Amino acid sequence: GAVVSQHPSWVICKSGTSVKIECRSLDFQATTMFWYRQFPKQSLMLMATSNEGSKATYEQGVEKDKFLINHASLTLSTLTVTSAHPEDSSFYICSARYNEQFFGPGTRLTVL
Amino acid sequence: GQQVMQIPQYQHVQEGEDFTTYCNSSTTLSNIQWYKQRPGGHPVFLIQLVKSGEVKKQKRLTFQFGEAKKNSSLHITATQTTDVGTYFCAGRGSARQLTFGSGTQLTVLP
Repeated sequence: GAVVSQHPSWVICKSGTSVKIECRSLDFQATTMFWYRQFPKQSLMLMATSNEGSKATYEQGVEKDKFLINHASLTLSTLTVTSAHPEDSSFYICSARYNEQFFGPGTRLTVL
Repeated sequence: GQQVMQIPQYQHVQEGEDFTTYCNSSTTLSNIQWYKQRPGGHPVFLIQLVKSGEVKKQKRLTFQFGEAKKNSSLHITATQTTDVGTYFCAGRGSARQLTFGSGTQLTVLP
């Protein structure tokens, strides 16, 4: 139990386009989901906390208008990287809390 | 803000040797969690420690939470090649934010 999925698993896009990443809790309801960013061989950096039915809480230094988060239901949160640039290329991981924290498989974004 | 330091950054061991990674927080934690991330994979929850001085074991893995609830360690006895990966600690402070350590990348040589 407690499975978190992410879609897509990888995406390549051109600079200036927007990319949407979905995070779903498959067998439990999550009022809170988290979005992380991980650079190669580095730790996870919390970007924002996504709360169902309310605005996300962003960490210091994370641009709200660039990384749009929507948590429309108890099983789905989305992260949209708007006007993506090469420096946004990274591994984006979501997690959902159900007693402990369960991570999705991640989405590797490459911006050309 | 809360900072979580983890050492060492890298560790190479011969199969059968022991391994330890240490985690230190700048602030007192309400709990600490440990994760393992295999190369190319995502973090997988290993354990959570809550009580001061708590020690928990999972087969060859021993987890400790310091008396002051500011440090923790993960010890692996007799490493195996399946232990390869990056081990992260993650501390939860008063703000209930989970802050990850920088991770220790373990390589086990056969």
